[in-house]
Amino acid sequence: KQEVTQIPAALSVPEGENLVLNCSFTDSAIYNLQWFRQDPGKGLTSLLLIQSSQREQTSGRLNASLDKSSGRSTLYIAASQPGDSATYLCAVRSGGYQKVTFGIGTKLQVIP
Amino acid sequence: DARVTQTPRHKVTEMGQEVTMRCQPILGHNTVFWYRQTMMQGLELLAYFRNRAPLDDSGMPKDRFSAEMPDATLATLKIQPSEPRDSAVYFCASGLVAGGYYGYTFGSGTRLTVV
Repeated sequence: KQEVTQIPAALSVPEGENLVLNCSFTDSAIYNLQWFRQDPGKGLTSLLLIQSSQREQTSGRLNASLDKSSGRSTLYIAASQPGDSATYLCAVRSGGYQKVTFGIGTKLQVIP
Repeated sequence: DARVTQTPRHKVTEMGQEVTMRCQPILGHNTVFWYRQTMMQGLELLAYFRNRAPLDDSGMPKDRFSAEMPDATLATLKIQPSEPRDSAVYFCASGLVAGGYYGYTFGSGTRLTVV
């Protein structure tokens, strides 16, 4: 059974800092990994999708890397802004039915 | 932008009542998921449809929950009878799987409160 862990559970940083969010998964036989953002009381917004054959994906100030063999992914946010404050979730697609398993998320607060 | 539409956005109901949540997936998507989100458990997969056929509903309490796709534009999740422990936000997501996989889009969720 796939398990996804995200560390830290919460993070508070001053505006302008670069930061890294971590995601680890127990079964390395994955199809892909997706990072989402969730604002309070809202749905999930997809940020980046990394296929199993890829090592990283970039979008603006966001960069996600994938090391399938070690079961890890990181989401790097450059020059953080207060608008980046949200919960970031990592989701892994794996298994016979290609189930998607989510981590609990990392709650990020960027302080102006 | 194409979006997944969920109704209702909020629902408050009394214990024992039937609750029906609806989801309109993005046109052309062939995969639909139902998730439940709570503070304690995070996002839990309840049911998973591909081309309207249920592939996996092992995460769903079978005695009270049921999920269907009567047609390609509508997915439903029913709880009967509802219980206070069902209080959560229920999300629907749709995606396209065709050779490769192109990611999910989530709806805004239905916040269910059972009193």
